Amino acid sequence: EIVMTQSPATLSVSPGERATLSCRASQSVSSNLAWYQQKPGQAPRLLIYSASTRATGIPARFSGSGSGTEFTLTIRSLQSDDFAIYYCQQYHDWPPKITFGQGTKVEIK
Amino acid sequence: QVQLVESGGDLVKPGGSLRLSCAASGFTFTNYYMSWVRQAPGKGLEWVSYIGSGGSPIFYADSVRGRFTISRDNANNSLYLQMDSLRAEDTAVYYCARWDFGDYAAYWGEGTLVTVSS
Repeated sequence: EIVMTQSPATLSVSPGERATLSCRASQSVSSNLAWYQQKPGQAPRLLIYSASTRATGIPARFSGSGSGTEFTLTIRSLQSDDFAIYYCQQYHDWPPKITFGQGTKVEIK
Repeated sequence: QVQLVESGGDLVKPGGSLRLSCAASGFTFTNYYMSWVRQAPGKGLEWVSYIGSGGSPIFYADSVRGRFTISRDNANNSLYLQMDSLRAEDTAVYYCARWDFGDYAAYWGEGTLVTVSS
């Protein structure tokens, strides 16, 4: 099973600043990586797939990068609506053993 | 717009069974893989199972294989999860998701809570 490790666990950021979230895979997943946002009491929402492609309706301030084992989600100029938990997910394994990271909470500084 | 509405969550005793349903609308259901993902209280996300657009392929997480059965009814745009031999560690919110290209969850329902407790 591919283990996904996110860092940091919690990120304190001021509104208007940039947030950089990391996700590391225990072995290469190529670009088979997605990012999700989850707010309290809500379902997750897809932000990024294929490591760097924004999903429909996702603002341009969200960007994803990386390949292989190291991935980054960058949120440029954080807005109040962006404070949430972010999860990465790999879909590289076949047969599929889809795994998520443990999440990074982005909180207001 | 895409809508996924789960139902069937309940309080059940260990060893018991439950069947979850997901009603889909706003897209051509027969064109997409579908999946179940769960989230234990205060914890992260765990993929449970997915099913191909025509009913195959089907895959399960190791933690539920042999106890859970995923199925779909394309005539009624519905997804199901039959859960047997339930354990306390199966307690979670269960989300139905449209699983695009068999890779990631493009859309999610709001979830249904399953509590396994005596």
